[in-house]
This record gives sequence, C-alpha cells and structure tokens, in this order.
Amino acid sequence: ETGVTQSPTHLIKTRGQQVTLRCSSQSGHNTVSWYQQALGQGPQFIFQYYREEENGRGNFPPRFSGLQFPNYSSELNVNALELDDSALYLCASSPGGRETQYFGPGTRLLVL
Amino acid sequence: QKEVEQNSGPLSVPEGAIASLNCTYSDRVSQSFFWYRQYSGKSPELIMSIYSNGDKEDGRFTAQLNKASQYVSLLIRDSQPSDSATYLCAVGRNNNDMRFGAGTRLTVKP
Repeated sequence: ETGVTQSPTHLIKTRGQQVTLRCSSQSGHNTVSWYQQALGQGPQFIFQYYREEENGRGNFPPRFSGLQFPNYSSELNVNALELDDSALYLCASSPGGRETQYFGPGTRLLVL
Repeated sequence: QKEVEQNSGPLSVPEGAIASLNCTYSDRVSQSFFWYRQYSGKSPELIMSIYSNGDKEDGRFTAQLNKASQYVSLLIRDSQPSDSATYLCAVGRNNNDMRFGAGTRLTVKP
C-alpha cells in the first residue's frame, strides 16, 4: 500500500459526457501526477501538479484538465468524452517534483 | 523511435533462474530511471530507482544503468512464480515528466 487513494474505482460513461476523477496523495507528498494507461500500453503522462500549480503537461488536449487543493489532493476532469478515453487513470504522488512517484490503485474508465 | 523502448515479451524463465529485462531511452538529458512492477489489473509498484551509472542492488533485484549507451536493465535473481508480472521501465526527464515503456511481460514457470 502506497497511501495514495483514488475514487471511484470504476466508472462507465457515454461519449460526450464529462467525468471527474479524484486522488488523495500520500501524507507528506505535495506533488501529484496523472497518467492514462490504455490496455497493453505503458502509462502516458497527462500532467503534474506541484503546490496547487500545473507543473508540466504531456501531449493531451485541453479537454483534460486538473486541480490540486491546499491539502494536495487532486482532481482530473475530462470533458467531451471519446471512446478512446477508455483506460486506467493513474494518480501518483511524490514528495516533490523530482522525487520517486508512488501510484494509487487507479480508476478504470469505460466510455460507451 | 519511441522515447522508452522495452522488449514486449513475453519473457519466460524457469523458477530459480535469472530474469533479465532491458530498456533503452532516446533522451540524453534523462536524469532518473525507475523499474515498476505491474500485476494484471493492478497499478504499478516501484521496485527500484537508479540515478548514477553502474549497478544498484536491492535483495534479489539489481538495476544497471549506462547513460552513455542510454540503456537500463533489471536483473531478477532466483526468480519466483510471484515475480510473474509486467515490468515497466520509466525515465524521468526534467523531473516532472516521466515516460514509460510499454512493459515486458515476465512469466516464471514453477
């Protein structure tokens, strides 16, 4: 157990809908990174939040957005869902932007 | 060329043997290197991190890094059936951007 929690564990949405995924970082960690993992692929970096500010972004469109709260928990929002957004969404926390990242259990999203 | 490349496998070894997993990366400014293990349906869990050239040992696991060759490997000694999983190589660039390979699937046969 890493101490990183995510909710919900599973989610089913339809194309065009919006979704919000949540992550609580491990105690003492101020950095949260989000990843998308499609079946059979490695995780793809979406973005990172450090002390409530976006601190880097991967090659994802603007309909993927996020927030980090003062307690360092974080949300990932995806608008206008597409079928290809179906994936495991992973949150990872670290003590700082340069430190080792520890993953939560993930949220499995299915878009129909 | 992919940023982080791994042999997809599957790699099959008998119980008690050494499993050797390899990874190459394209970005020379990469500074940190990680091996994660991922069981089917679960999230990645950290096995090793390595930052300097050479070997780093932790129990049955040894990570090897060669920055000149842009190559990192993981050796698993005395492989056990419980080691059967997908092993992900991850490379940190400017420290807020970690890139993963697609993973190597390892099967350890009893």
